[in-house]
Amino acid sequence: AQTVTQSQPEMSVQEAETVTLSCTYDTSENNYYLFWYKQPPSRQMILVIRQEAYKQQNATENRFSVNFQKAAKSFSLKISDSQLGDTAMYFCAFMPPGGTNAGKSTFGDGTTLTVKP
Amino acid sequence: DAGVTQSPTHLIKTRGQQVTLRCSPKSGHDTVSWYQQALGQGPQFIFQYYEEEERQRGNFPDRFSGHQFPNYSSELNVNALLLGDSALYLCASSFAGRDTQYFGPGTRLTVL
Repeated sequence: AQTVTQSQPEMSVQEAETVTLSCTYDTSENNYYLFWYKQPPSRQMILVIRQEAYKQQNATENRFSVNFQKAAKSFSLKISDSQLGDTAMYFCAFMPPGGTNAGKSTFGDGTTLTVKP
Repeated sequence: DAGVTQSPTHLIKTRGQQVTLRCSPKSGHDTVSWYQQALGQGPQFIFQYYEEEERQRGNFPDRFSGHQFPNYSSELNVNALLLGDSALYLCASSFAGRDTQYFGPGTRLTVL
């Protein structure tokens, strides 16, 4: 079974600074997808960034980037130039596209990020 | 382009009752997955529907069942409600169920 661990329950950062959220996972699959989702207090889960395991290049979306270390099974999210609107709970998620668990997503327990003015 | 929609927004039930939650997928998507999110925790996978059949299932009892209609919309049914079923229920849609999922706003279920 896949597991996803987010070891930082809460983090805070000053506006305009950079913060990194950690995520590790455990799987025997070789091909999979990894995601970071953001869930503001309004509770709508919003996709932040997506990484395909067979791509060595780290994904980037504007101020959001990841550090994907496949051998270490690590997938951290870096938020640059933090904004007040980044305040939310962030979830790391794993999904195998094939095999017996195809499409079955596993989420971590989340990191609550607070951006301070 | 309409995103994923869910209804109702909130629901209050008593123990032993039955509940039905509804989800319409994002335009162009054919797969619907359901998740249960307890307060302060990550979503837990309940099941996934593709081509009107349950394709994957998480560790949830048979009290949780679902259905997918020909227009790809889906229902989640929970029978014999327990206090522990109180949670946010999230629906997510995707294409072919094997890539990026987009979530709806959720249904908050409270069981008294």
